[in-house]
Parts: sequence; C-alpha cells; structure tokens
Amino acid sequence: KAGVTQTPRYLIKTRGQQVTLSCSPISGHRSVSWYQQTPGQGLQFLFEYFSETQRNKGNFPGRFSGRQFSNSRSEMNVSTLELGDSALYLCASTSGDADTQYFGPGTRLTVL
Amino acid sequence: AQRVTQPEKLLSVFKGAPVELKCNYSYSGSPELFWYVQYSRQRLQLLLRHISRESIKGFTADLNKGETSFHLKKPFAQEEDSAMYYCALLYSGAGSYQLTFGKGTKLSVIP
Repeated sequence: KAGVTQTPRYLIKTRGQQVTLSCSPISGHRSVSWYQQTPGQGLQFLFEYFSETQRNKGNFPGRFSGRQFSNSRSEMNVSTLELGDSALYLCASTSGDADTQYFGPGTRLTVL
Repeated sequence: AQRVTQPEKLLSVFKGAPVELKCNYSYSGSPELFWYVQYSRQRLQLLLRHISRESIKGFTADLNKGETSFHLKKPFAQEEDSAMYYCALLYSGAGSYQLTFGKGTKLSVIP
C-alpha cells in the first residue's frame, strides 16, 4: 500500500496570507489527524477527522481549520498567517480508533 | 491531563554500548504507548508499540505502570540508530483518539 502523502512538501508565505495543505491517507484508512511540529513545542495535536467529521481539536486558535472529504482525503487551512505558524505540519492516518497512526512526510511551511 | 516526558534532549553513546532512552508518562486511564523514530530527512515512523511486545531493530520497551515509564532499550548501539526518538501516548478525548508526544531525544551514536 502507498503511504500517507502530503502536498505540497514546502511552502513559503508572508504574514497575513492563508494557506491550504493537503493529505491523502493510506487506502482504507478513515481517520486523519494533523500535528504541528516546531523546535520549541515539539509535536502538537491540531485536529482529527473521521468520516468527514471533526471529532477532536487541539489547543490552537480558530485560524486553524480543516476538513475531510468522502474519499478520506483531508485538508487543513491556516488563515491570517503569523510568523509563529512556521512549522512542519504532519498528517497521520489510521484504520481504527486505537490503531497505529502512520505519518506522512510533512509540509514545511515558512512564514516571512 | 496526560503528559509524556523525555528528560534527555540529547544522548550520545559509543557504538556497541547499551542504549536507554527514558520516557515517563502521566495518564489516568489505561496507557497505550508508542516509540516513534525520525531518521534524518525521513518521515516519522513507528518503532514499536507496547501491546505488540515486539523487538524492532534490536530495540525493546517495557511498560512499567508502577513507575509510569516506558523506557526504550537496546543492548548494542549501531551508527544507524542515530536519530530523533519520540515517546507517545495514545489517549481518548472527545470521542476520538490522539497522540501526545514527548519532546524527543536525539540519539547520537559515536563510531
């Protein structure tokens, strides 16, 4: 099976812009989670989607949002970008609730 | 609230020496713990999961509920083991499962 894929791999934006990141889970996986990875805060949970519904959200401002499509692909959006949003954004998929999460390569977002 | 602590940011060992990466957790429920590894320029990947009780690449980890620890061990370090290691706790919140990660330990194996 192909692994989790994320596009684009790199992005450079300026403050105030918005950005959309995409994640395609492993075939058959219905749950997609997003994480933000920074040197200072490490890996932090953003949100999780299952069957097109957001089931849980981490402690991030409302500028961070996401959605999931019927084919389980997911997008996350960050509006009004701030310098502190520069990070590696990771997507993970799993076939079941308590199963192992498999990670994509990430999207490296740089905000100037 | 759940928490995962990895007390060492950096651990350097010589090739052939034993390795122990520490992980402590706090969680009121029944813990489900993982070790993930991130090699240079590669994605985060699962190393092992405590319920599987497998030994992957020579690494083992035992869940000690009394000490709330899940330390990662390997008897003889290899140069290819150099990487970032993350301990993670899977827990249920608001109807879904999510991982809480420790800050990670960078393992450097000296030839």
